[in-house]
Amino acid sequence: EDQVTQSPEALRLQEGESSSLNCSYTVSGLRGLFWYRQDPGKGPEFLFTLYSAGEEKEKERLKATLTKKESFLHITAPKPEDSATYLCAVQLKEGGKLIFGQGTELSVKP
Amino acid sequence: DAGVIQSPRHEVTEMGQEVTLRCKPISGHDYLFWYRQTMMRGLELLIYFNNNVPIDDSGMPEDRFSAKMPNASFSTLKIQPSEPRDSAVYFCASTAGGFSPLHFGNGTRLTVT
Repeated sequence: EDQVTQSPEALRLQEGESSSLNCSYTVSGLRGLFWYRQDPGKGPEFLFTLYSAGEEKEKERLKATLTKKESFLHITAPKPEDSATYLCAVQLKEGGKLIFGQGTELSVKP
Repeated sequence: DAGVIQSPRHEVTEMGQEVTLRCKPISGHDYLFWYRQTMMRGLELLIYFNNNVPIDDSGMPEDRFSAKMPNASFSTLKIQPSEPRDSAVYFCASTAGGFSPLHFGNGTRLTVT
């Protein structure tokens, strides 16, 4: 069965304290992996797409990496405005269906 | 571009009533998706359309749920009759297809009492 698992479920950081979020997946075939950010009361907002193992993408304090079994979202020197739920989604090669993980709720305290 | 537009933002209804959720995708996007989000199950794909044609509705919970896309700029998700367990946030998303990411609306929060 195709599955996407994110950890931890929740993460509390102090401002400036770097950390990483994990997204592990077992799927029949990977077309791409997406990271989204979701703020309360809003829809998920697209951050990155990764297509192949070894690929990395960066945006401000965020960097996403991909291996054959998992992806990491690294947050460097986070700020309170980085607080949100971060969702990982895997697009299947067959049919293109997108499967989401449960998300990691990140809280950054000043 | 205004993005994906959903209405209403909030819907409160009584069990047994019919509920209709509406979505306007981004112009030019050929794919439209309906998702449901709950604390317990996260984001679940209900159904998706390509060029207004339903492609995969295997996520639709039961016959009480139906979705239509009469044209490229409008889709509806209908629940009839509604039940308390249908309470969730329903998202619509669209994409140009291929490797393009999904763009989500801000959702409809449905409460069935």
